[in-house]
Amino acid sequence: QSVLTQPPSVSGAPGQRVTISCTGSSSNIGAHYDVHWYQQLPGSAPKLLIYANTNRPSGVPDRFSGSKSGISASLAITGLQAEDEADYYCQSYDSSLSGSRVFGGGTKLTVL
Amino acid sequence: EVQLVQSGAEVKKPGESLKISCKGSGYTFNTYWIGWVRQMPGKGLEWMGNIFPRDSATKYSPSFQGQVTISADKSINTAYLQWTSLKASDTAIYYCVRSQSYFDWSSFDYWGQGTLVTVSS
Repeated sequence: QSVLTQPPSVSGAPGQRVTISCTGSSSNIGAHYDVHWYQQLPGSAPKLLIYANTNRPSGVPDRFSGSKSGISASLAITGLQAEDEADYYCQSYDSSLSGSRVFGGGTKLTVL
Repeated sequence: EVQLVQSGAEVKKPGESLKISCKGSGYTFNTYWIGWVRQMPGKGLEWMGNIFPRDSATKYSPSFQGQVTISADKSINTAYLQWTSLKASDTAIYYCVRSQSYFDWSSFDYWGQGTLVTVSS
């Protein structure tokens, strides 16, 4: 059971918009700690996609965006492409677990 | 260009010891936390702990405290993850990661390629 909760899977057709939620609690996202998102393509190491809730590292397309409100955060992908099919993980910091970095369980995105 | 290059895949027997490595380049190794993330077969990501190479300060996830040791040799820009007695349940891919800033709540902006550790009798 992960500290941050994500849906196991989402899907969408090419060109569509999908969102992936990440729900925490008052000791992590609700305590105003930043949320980060990672993309893991099949057979590859994860890659930073969104940092500090809304920021994209250089090279990440603006089709990817992040938001945060209350105890939850979301990753939105617009103009879905086949190459977006991957696992997506949210990550934050939890003050109740001896100061641990925590991940969501991951969401498998399938492009139909 | 920032790079984290990890040591190669390992196959070990239960009870054996192991130390895997992660060499950083393209940045000032001493001034960024570097840590380890476990991914068991078909499962998600788990943060294990990290180290600040300049003073060797370490932080561990409660789930991994006492199970592994994280160390670093700043003279050769290399971090390590070590086990004294492996179990079959340690079979996983281990990624080294760099923290984007000094703060605990920062992201992991660079990842190593991963080291597959297989523990089997």
